[in-house]
Amino acid sequence: GAVVSQHPSRVICKSGTSVKIECRSLDFQATTMFWYRQFPKQSLMLMATSNEGSKATYEQGVEKDKFLINHASLTLSTLTVTSAHPEDSSFYICSARDRRASSYGYTFGSGTRLTVV
Amino acid sequence: AQSVTQPDIHITVSEGASLELRCNYSYGATPYLFWYVQSPGQGLQLLLKYFSGDTLVQGIKGFEAEFKRSQSSFNLRKPSVHWSDAAEYFCAVGAPGGYNKLIFGAGTRLAVHP
Repeated sequence: GAVVSQHPSRVICKSGTSVKIECRSLDFQATTMFWYRQFPKQSLMLMATSNEGSKATYEQGVEKDKFLINHASLTLSTLTVTSAHPEDSSFYICSARDRRASSYGYTFGSGTRLTVV
Repeated sequence: AQSVTQPDIHITVSEGASLELRCNYSYGATPYLFWYVQSPGQGLQLLLKYFSGDTLVQGIKGFEAEFKRSQSSFNLRKPSVHWSDAAEYFCAVGAPGGYNKLIFGAGTRLAVHP
């Protein structure tokens, strides 16, 4: 079946630095990628939606200059957390739409645990 | 506002016992409804989904869910739980048709005692 590889699974970075998270669709073309974050004991909250070759659409309240999303190809999307701060520590997860799949045929990555110290 | 509520943060059942995980939603119209499961270190896997038609839907791994419009609920059930079912379960809703964003509940963590 469809697989989305998300890396890294865990990352610790110093406050003020930037961190890049990658999501790759291994055996399908992902026309749309969704990026979520999840705080402990809370829902997955959608941060942004990206379509291949176009700018991402950010949800209200998400800083687009802080969370840079690039979806330059049909198999790769990246989320860069710029100038990370401790409050950015969270679980980030991507979800890709397989262009061949039926409605809501989404495949999720395994997530990235970001800790900013 | 659109929202999904999973009232039970944590549930513990004995292996072989039946299971019901609750999900209630608030939405303008009848949304598409989903249940996902997440094991530690893994991505979310779709268990089942409801778009329309028969309100009792069957999914993978022996799970089923029942849509009740009057109660705005979509509870997940399994008649006999296996130890491998221990995981986090998420209920989600999406706008009907096409490919739209999902709104997730907070999740229910299931523990299974031998």
